[in-house]
Amino acid sequence: GESVGLHLPTLSVQEGDNSIINCAYSNSASDYFIWYKQESGKGPQFIIDIRSNMDKRQGQRVTVLLNKTVKHLSLQIAATQPGDSAVYFCAENIQRSGNTPLVFGKGTRLSVIA
Amino acid sequence: KAGVTQTPRYLIKTRGQQVTLSCSPISGHRSVSWYQQTPGQGLQFLFEYFSETQRNKGNFPGRFSGRQFSNSRSEMNVSTLELGDSALYLCASSLTRTGTEYNEQFFGPGTRLTVL
Repeated sequence: GESVGLHLPTLSVQEGDNSIINCAYSNSASDYFIWYKQESGKGPQFIIDIRSNMDKRQGQRVTVLLNKTVKHLSLQIAATQPGDSAVYFCAENIQRSGNTPLVFGKGTRLSVIA
Repeated sequence: KAGVTQTPRYLIKTRGQQVTLSCSPISGHRSVSWYQQTPGQGLQFLFEYFSETQRNKGNFPGRFSGRQFSNSRSEMNVSTLELGDSALYLCASSLTRTGTEYNEQFFGPGTRLTVL
């Protein structure tokens, strides 16, 4: 498959444990944030998003937390499964200006140990 | 509904050549964005097209260009290839422009370009 990133931080987690992936975003004006998952040989896949008027949002087995004070975003994956092994990216955007592209973080490789 | 398709999936070129990559968005999607992904720089935005018009451009040299057709299909072109252009080129489509509601972008599998 494709080599997504040779220099990424790696998080190794035991199957069944919870995973927490962190992201520091750069622009204090960003008001929309997305987490993407990229598996080998595939393009990034949308996981969950959150707007700046929220500090927490939950999906199926995933939770995103937003701390605007320190410009920090985290993705929590409950009961991590082997299929969760991938590279995870956060992305930020300024929606209220209506004309900015997504800016992606460097990514974190999640490795699930069976 | 078919996803975003990109052709070709793999490409090998030599320095100085030019290359054209193609992207077919999800049916009904009018916005197409292009990204370059490398191990060192990660995912970097190239440009976005909406209704055949370039709406946004990233910080890449003029050798990188693109266009969008009336059926929303998009192509990107890189002229005078350099070794550093070796990367995975990703295309993403969305219903509307980035920076608006329902911003979800759906990515294709990418085109792996190797420049020798």
